[in-house]
Amino acid sequence: GENVEQHPSTLSVQEGDSAVIKCTYSDSASNYFPWYKQELGKRPQLIIDIRSNVGEKKDQRIAVTLNKTAKHFSLHITETQPEDSAVYFCAATPWAGNQFYFGTGTSLTVIP
Amino acid sequence: DTAVSQTPKYLVTQMGNDKSIKCEQNLGHDTMYWYKQDSKKFLKIMFSYNNKELIINETVPNRFSPKSPDKAHLNLHINSLELGDSAVYFCASSPSDRGGEAFFGQGTRLTVV
Repeated sequence: GENVEQHPSTLSVQEGDSAVIKCTYSDSASNYFPWYKQELGKRPQLIIDIRSNVGEKKDQRIAVTLNKTAKHFSLHITETQPEDSAVYFCAATPWAGNQFYFGTGTSLTVIP
Repeated sequence: DTAVSQTPKYLVTQMGNDKSIKCEQNLGHDTMYWYKQDSKKFLKIMFSYNNKELIINETVPNRFSPKSPDKAHLNLHINSLELGDSAVYFCASSPSDRGGEAFFGQGTRLTVV
């Protein structure tokens, strides 16, 4: 199956700074790349996603970039706030959509 | 109108027991999954079902047996529970065409004592 690597595993930033989380994937058939946020004790929830026909997508303070040639994609959070503190997961899935493999997670702490 | 619901939310049981976790989705998705999240927070895929057919079985011990009576339900039965089975188990569903968002249940925290 797909192998998704995610870095860093932990990240601490000062409030207002930017945070970047990077993922690489192995299966060239993957073409849907979502990012999930999991707050403590809760379920993972989608925050942004990108498809392989798009290089960048932005939603307010969150952006995702995709380099399909290099098989890597990144999550960018600007102007971080304490409520951004959570575990973030990237994922990669092929067109068929029935193989949802997650990265190992990044624990983000935003220090007020 | 919960999209993906799983029961129970908490499960405490002794080693050697057999237990089941139920999952239902009302999103009309064709694909359902079981994930195990251990203390390190890894979301490890266990099983994937598409239209009631097993697609992925990721080196899970055969003490774990998923059952999908219809495409809206995917239950997980675990035999002879071991201490290492303690984790949070998440059910999820997604549309199978064109790749789409996976929705998660609230999780079942299984503690084996």
